[in-house]
Amino acid sequence: DARVTQTPRHKVTEMGQEVTMRCQPILGHNTVFWYRQTMMQGLELLAYFRNRAPLDDSGMPKDRFSAEMPDATLATLKIQPSEPRDSAVYFCASGKREPGTDSYEQYFGPGTRLTVT
Amino acid sequence: GQNIDQPTEMTATEGAIVQINCTYQTSGFNGLFWYQQHAGEAPTFLSYNVLDGLEEKGRFSSFLSRSKGYSYLLLKELQMKDSASYLCAVRYFKAAGNKLTFGGGTRVLVKP
Repeated sequence: DARVTQTPRHKVTEMGQEVTMRCQPILGHNTVFWYRQTMMQGLELLAYFRNRAPLDDSGMPKDRFSAEMPDATLATLKIQPSEPRDSAVYFCASGKREPGTDSYEQYFGPGTRLTVT
Repeated sequence: GQNIDQPTEMTATEGAIVQINCTYQTSGFNGLFWYQQHAGEAPTFLSYNVLDGLEEKGRFSSFLSRSKGYSYLLLKELQMKDSASYLCAVRYFKAAGNKLTFGGGTRVLVKP
């Protein structure tokens, strides 16, 4: 039963600290997405990668957020320095885009609940 | 910007049918998704429409009219476990590539 995994599941940190969230996509999936969900803003796409290359990160605050895929089995989202307004649930999702098709099913991980005090 | 509207909340009875509407205004439309999200859990993919018409998947169906900027998700034979939020998301094309915007979600409560 292939699943997207995310660590940590919960993180409480103080303002100004660096936060790193990790995601392991489903093996064989070539597209990885980072989302943020809050009560006020709902679900927002922050960034996504295809074949490890960043395709779009326009949803991320560039000054403090960075997303990378050091290899095909690991995606990271970093916040430095963190601020209270970054408190949210951060979801990673992966999918497989076959060439010549428009298939776009995404599988979400369980999320990282971040609280910045 | 992109504008996506869906009702905030709907209530229905077990065994009944519920239709969740989603209207959108966007340029460069490139597909519409429906997701289900139970409280405290991650969203799960339900459907994807890019051409006009109805896509059926078991008890769930999704319809799209591109000319009207309108979609609906139809849930038939409602079960208690269908109580969840349903998110409509629109993909659209910009010069820099595809973008994705979500509606605020419709919370569906299924009553016995």
